[in-house]
Formats: sequence, structure tokens, C-alpha cells
Amino acid sequence: QSVLTQPPSASGTPGQRVTISCSGSSSNIGGNNVNWYQQLPGTAPKLLIYGKNRRPSGVPDRFSGSKSGTSASLAISGLQSEDEADYYCAAWDDSLNAYVFGTGTKVTVL
Amino acid sequence: EVQLVQSGAEIKKPGESLKISCKGSGYNFTDYWIGWVRQVPGKGLEWMGIIYPGDSDARYSPSFQGQVTISADKSISTAYLQWSSLKASDTAMYYCARPYTSGWYPFDYWGQGTLVTVSS
Repeated sequence: QSVLTQPPSASGTPGQRVTISCSGSSSNIGGNNVNWYQQLPGTAPKLLIYGKNRRPSGVPDRFSGSKSGTSASLAISGLQSEDEADYYCAAWDDSLNAYVFGTGTKVTVL
Repeated sequence: EVQLVQSGAEIKKPGESLKISCKGSGYNFTDYWIGWVRQVPGKGLEWMGIIYPGDSDARYSPSFQGQVTISADKSISTAYLQWSSLKASDTAMYYCARPYTSGWYPFDYWGQGTLVTVSS
């Protein structure tokens, strides 16, 4: 059972802004950077956000991350059909001494 | 170009042993940690552990400590994940992944995954 909690699903129409939340605690999100991954159906995860809202080369600036206290959010602006995927937050947990992933959110483009 | 290529799908019986591999190329294999991530069908991602191929220093998630062994052979740029006695609950997709820096995370490069099916 993951220590980072995400809503199971989120949806939006093309062009809309969708936000995904990730709730943790002081031992993970509260004290460490949050990373976000995108997993398209049948493929390996892909890093979207790392550090303090940094994007690897090739990731569109439509994706942005933020953090406040023990919660984090991923925002997808200008939603596109190719954004339909599962999204996971992740962070180091100082208590578990492990890298923990969120429960995952399935984004559907209506 | 950094690439991680994993071994092929496996079908095993409960109690059998297994070792799957992950071969790195396109970078100095001994300079970066390699991690393993489990994904049970239809479920989320779980970090299993990580190894530094330079000296084979391996660290494990508490959830997987004692359940699997992570190793590496730097002479052939390959990391391994092995089980001594598989259970049906080990059925999952297993990914190897490399952090984008010399730290333990986050993972910027991923293998294609190895599907392990354990069934009698």
C-alpha cells in the first residue's frame, strides 16, 4: 500500500487544464522533491517532472509540477489526446528509506 | 544514446528460481546506479531496490529485502534481479531504470520491461 495517495482518475476535454494531486507526509513530500512519471498503455514509465518543477529534454512545457507542504500537484494544460495515460508521483521517503510511488491516476481525454 | 535492454518474458512454476537481466549501453555503466521497479498487472509502480555497478553496492526497499537479490556484472554492463523460490505473487512486469544523475533517483532511462509469470 503506497504512502503517496492520488485520485484514481481524472479527465478533461482537449485544450482543458487537468490537475492531479499527490498527498504524502513530512517524511516524503514534506522534505524531498517530488517527481512525476507518465506511463502510456503498454509502455515503460517516462519521467515528466523532477527537482523543483524541472522537465527533462523533450517534455512539453504543458506539464508543470508544484508542491505545498505535504502535497504536490501535476498540471497538464492544453490537454491533448496523447496525454491519455497513467500518471504517478514519487518521492524519497526518509522513514521507509525507500523511493515511493503514488497510487497512480488514470487521465482520460474525453 | 543511453539504452537499457532487458531479457525476455519468463514463465515459471512456484518454487523455481529465476534471474532476469538488464544490459546498459551508451554510457559508462559503472558511473550510475541501476534500480528495479515492479508493476503487478493492473497495479501501480513499486521501487524494489538499487545497485551501483561500480562496486556492486546494493540497497533494498524494506518491502523487498530478503525476497530478491540484486546484482551486477560490470564487465558486461549488466544488472540482474533474481529469485531463489518464486511465488505466484511475484507475477509482474519488472523494469530496470537508471537515474538521470549519479544519485538514486529519479529514473530518466527505463528498460522495456520483463514480464514474469509464475503459475502452476
